Amino acid sequence: NAGVTQTPKFQVLKTGQSMTLQCAQDMNHNSMYWYRQDPGMGLRLIYYSASEGTTDKGEVPNGYNVSRLNKREFSLRLESAAPSQTSVYFCASKIVGNTEAFFGQGTRLTVV
Amino acid sequence: EDQVTQSPEALRLQEGESSSLNCSYTVSGLRGLFWYRQDPGKGPEFLFTLYSAGEEKEKERLKATLTKKESFLHITAPKPEDSATYLCAVRETSYDKVIFGPGTSLSVIP
Repeated sequence: NAGVTQTPKFQVLKTGQSMTLQCAQDMNHNSMYWYRQDPGMGLRLIYYSASEGTTDKGEVPNGYNVSRLNKREFSLRLESAAPSQTSVYFCASKIVGNTEAFFGQGTRLTVV
Repeated sequence: EDQVTQSPEALRLQEGESSSLNCSYTVSGLRGLFWYRQDPGKGPEFLFTLYSAGEEKEKERLKATLTKKESFLHITAPKPEDSATYLCAVRETSYDKVIFGPGTSLSVIP
């Protein structure tokens, strides 16, 4: 019973490099989310997708792009990484509505 | 702009010393309010959902309440294993958008 799986768990990038963070869920959830977590800032919403084929900006979308590849997968892309994007990134999924969100274990990204 | 704030930022309690955490929100259309617990190095874990003002939910030593402007998480006779960061989140009307507050870091000392 995998739940929400994020890859990779750790990553170090040089400024200007690009990469894609992968997220997959096996719970048949419609809604998926990408958050970043910085010390003292809680979770800040980057992008979310309420259904396959739709994506919407959250609180801090600048510098990121997303793809809802299918119902299971929601990827986050950094086209040109910057040190300000050093953070822990969490993917989450849930059924649409006032339901529990399930989170992955996070990706710790460092941009040097 | 929609916003969720939490206070205090950090709280240190002696084992058995009850207290409350606060979550205040300003959103255009609240559809639901959630409480999560997060342990270091892990993703948040769901605790409660509250839907409407006056609603209360309980789980072991935790009790969550909701008014029109804020929610409280009451911790009764806490134990060291209750030490964690507690996060509040709100669901808005638009497309299942969920935003979080900054969290309260709780430490319970034996």
